[in-house]
Amino acid sequence: EAQVTQNPRYLITVTGKKLTVTCSQNMNHEYMSWYRQDPGLGLRQIYYSMNVEVTDKGDVPEGYKVSRKEKRNFPLILESPSPNQTSLYFCASSSPLLAGAQEQYFGPGTRLTVT
Amino acid sequence: RKEVEQDPGPFNVPEGATVAFNCTYSNSASQSFFWYRQDCRKEPKLLMSVYSSGNEDGRFTAQLNRASQYISLLIRDSKLSDSATYLCVVTGAPDSSYKLIFGSGTRLLVRP
Repeated sequence: EAQVTQNPRYLITVTGKKLTVTCSQNMNHEYMSWYRQDPGLGLRQIYYSMNVEVTDKGDVPEGYKVSRKEKRNFPLILESPSPNQTSLYFCASSSPLLAGAQEQYFGPGTRLTVT
Repeated sequence: RKEVEQDPGPFNVPEGATVAFNCTYSNSASQSFFWYRQDCRKEPKLLMSVYSSGNEDGRFTAQLNRASQYISLLIRDSKLSDSATYLCVVTGAPDSSYKLIFGSGTRLLVRP
């Protein structure tokens, strides 16, 4: 089954404790992206990757890091989480050509709470 | 001004009603347009792409007005299962066509 998986689905942590949210897709998509969703603000792009070892900042990259060592995986790293990073996070992937014009497949989301 | 603006709703309609949502976007160079559907606390899923000539998929009709920079979604014969949040999505300028810009969504509640 074609899918994007994220782990963990729910996480409560404390300020400053490093964490990683994993994202994996089995569709051989080149393009992957991370979003956060907050009430009234919609989905905002954090980072994206056009291919292995190619990553770039989205609209709200501060406080986040990503890596793309393999095509299928695109982990999101919070080196020192803060309460303003409490949010619902989605990973997404799509096919390589004209990525913006193709359907993006989203993972089920990770609800993160930072206290 | 937000890049993509939608009326947050909620739109509360009876089953069988016709309901329309509008969305405006600020970047005249945007190339591609979509409606995504998001159920409560779930991931967004593509509902339909929006083409310049307008397009229809069953009970759903999407239209694009480039001159006025707005997109519409019409749902006919509403079903209870249509209750969800509908996200208007546009791509960035041609040099960033991979970037999706999301509206904050319009919530639809269909009542029996």
